[in-house]
Amino acid sequence: QVQLVQSGAEVKKPGASVKVSCETSGYTFTDYYIHWVRQAPGQGLEWMGWISPKSGDTDYATKFQARVTMTRDTSISTAYIEVNSLLSDDTAIYYCARASRWELVGDYWGQGTLVTVSS
Amino acid sequence: DIQMTQSPSSLSAFVGDRVTITCRSSQSIIRDLNWYQQKPGKAPKLLIYGASSLQSGVPSRFSGSGSGTLFTLTISSLQPEDFANYYCQHSFNIPFTFGPGTKVEIK
Repeated sequence: QVQLVQSGAEVKKPGASVKVSCETSGYTFTDYYIHWVRQAPGQGLEWMGWISPKSGDTDYATKFQARVTMTRDTSISTAYIEVNSLLSDDTAIYYCARASRWELVGDYWGQGTLVTVSS
Repeated sequence: DIQMTQSPSSLSAFVGDRVTITCRSSQSIIRDLNWYQQKPGKAPKLLIYGASSLQSGVPSRFSGSGSGTLFTLTISSLQPEDFANYYCQHSFNIPFTFGPGTKVEIK
């Protein structure tokens, strides 16, 4: 069965960086895009960008272009998102989601990773 | 960026009720509209894609309709497990944006 399993919760200080992983199984990793979506506490959903595991190509929301990097390791079917220069407003649950195309139609999602930014 | 709005922001309903949620986009998105259900502490779950296509495994009491800028999600007979937050999301262009959500509560 398709699974996306994310790394555990993180607590970071403002200005630091965080890297969250999304380990996939149950399907061919390079056949689907991985999108990242975040949700601040009690708030709605915000799309951050996508990565093509096949090519490594990425596309980010303008808001995140300067501070976010998405990568993948095809040898272990895992995608990553790194967020730099963290602000308190980056406190959120970060989700990875699988989609068959670059458009976000997320048919399987990871369980989410809580990133807390606090001094 | 395309802005998505939803109405109502919350509703209370009885088990067995028919429930309709509306989603509007700030410009035409053809039929590139998806609906998700999210329960507390859980990831979103895809219900409807392409405005009206039912995702595999989703009960048939869920249906979607609409095109252009106006879309609806209907639950034909609300079940206890349907109490959750519902989000629309467009997949027309980047950035993909979500509506603010509709909370469906038990009356």
